Amino acid sequence: DTGVSQDPRHKITKRGQNVTFRCDPISEHNRLYWYRQTLGQGPEFLTYFQNEAQLEKSRLLSDRFSAERPKGSFSTLEIQRTEQGDSAMYLCASSGLAGGPEETQYFGPGTRLLVL
Amino acid sequence: AQTVTQSQPEMSVQEAETVTLSCTYDTSESNYYLFWYKQPPSRQMILVIRQEAYKQQNATENRFSVNFQKAAKSFSLKISDSQLGDTAMYFCAFMHNQAGTALIFGKGTTLSVSS
Repeated sequence: DTGVSQDPRHKITKRGQNVTFRCDPISEHNRLYWYRQTLGQGPEFLTYFQNEAQLEKSRLLSDRFSAERPKGSFSTLEIQRTEQGDSAMYLCASSGLAGGPEETQYFGPGTRLLVL
Repeated sequence: AQTVTQSQPEMSVQEAETVTLSCTYDTSESNYYLFWYKQPPSRQMILVIRQEAYKQQNATENRFSVNFQKAAKSFSLKISDSQLGDTAMYFCAFMHNQAGTALIFGKGTTLSVSS
């Protein structure tokens, strides 16, 4: 198992364009989380999936943001009509079954987005 | 709402010395988890250590240990025998003891280890 992977690692786009990021969790993990991290700050929660169901969304997740996990494996996060304020690191994390060490979230390397 | 506070934006330490990073949190819950994550420059976030609130014994992982004071809502990280590779941003995080809840992070402490 190689851990959580994210693609692309870097993305530069122009304001108003749409972007999509992908996250592949640790294979046996059924929980998947998206966070956003701006420079010099801690990550902030965006949304959470258990299997294919999106169970929680932060109010940070505006209407321009959408996330999916169609088969309960990989997930995508799409930002429509990007704004300069969307520039950040987008982190994905996964965790296993509830309770014990399996509740620990393991993070991917992140996708760094720059909106010009 | 739960909050996590890291009052030291930056810390520095010499190799082989010991350093302690502070973290306080606010919650009305009695059952929860606390974590320290490390984020080296331009590298991904990795788990350093984890503490279950119901456990009185402080967690340890090799050179890393915590001082968990539940009544004071304090969760400090001690790094012994500091190494150059410990240079990183360190985040304290809180999580409810409930399936699928989000981590709540502090703003982080940048630790620089010098030779």
